Amino acid sequence: DTGVSQDPRHKITKRGQNVTFRCDPISEHNRLYWYRQTLGQGPEFLTYFQNEAQLEKSRLLSDRFSAERPKGSFSTLEIQRTEQGDSAMYLCASSPGQGRDEKLFFGSGTQLSVL
Amino acid sequence: GNSVTQMEGPVTLSEEAFLTINCTYTATGYPSLFWYVQYPGEGLQLLLKATKADDKGSNKGFEATYRKETTSFHLEKGSVQVSDSAVYFCALNGAGSYQLTFGKGTKLSVIP
Repeated sequence: DTGVSQDPRHKITKRGQNVTFRCDPISEHNRLYWYRQTLGQGPEFLTYFQNEAQLEKSRLLSDRFSAERPKGSFSTLEIQRTEQGDSAMYLCASSPGQGRDEKLFFGSGTQLSVL
Repeated sequence: GNSVTQMEGPVTLSEEAFLTINCTYTATGYPSLFWYVQYPGEGLQLLLKATKADDKGSNKGFEATYRKETTSFHLEKGSVQVSDSAVYFCALNGAGSYQLTFGKGTKLSVIP
């Protein structure tokens, strides 16, 4: 068990560019979540996958954001035409899929800075 | 919608002091309640949880009781240590949903 891995750790981009983040969950975890956290705030839910199916999406996830989990393993989060307001820490979490109240295992996050 | 309100930080305590971090919530139905902790340089990790009214979650000397009548889930520890210095997040999981709603977090610093 190597934990949830996120790549890259840091990303600096210019406004208008596209960026893609990757998350590798703990192996055999069926559920995968994306959250966004800005300075001084708690994490905000973005989206959730059960295996490869995207089952919940927040209204925060505008049409510039897209997430995939093609084979039910790793996931990618893409932001198109980045804006300065997209600057945040993007957190990925996974869980076994054994109940609604189960523990989430979080990665260390990808810090995005949009200049 | 669901929301969580935590006491503002930062909180600074001396070692062995008593800790209370207040958390109240608004939710429809019967949410499950959680405390997550983020130690410096590490990812968020679950500290404790309670899934129904009057349940008490406990871990590492921390406790919190699910109070439905006051919609609260206050975190307490009788004697804090320097190693408890971290940011603490209260969160809830609303009925029928897999998304967690977090509070803003409370930074705790414990000094020797």
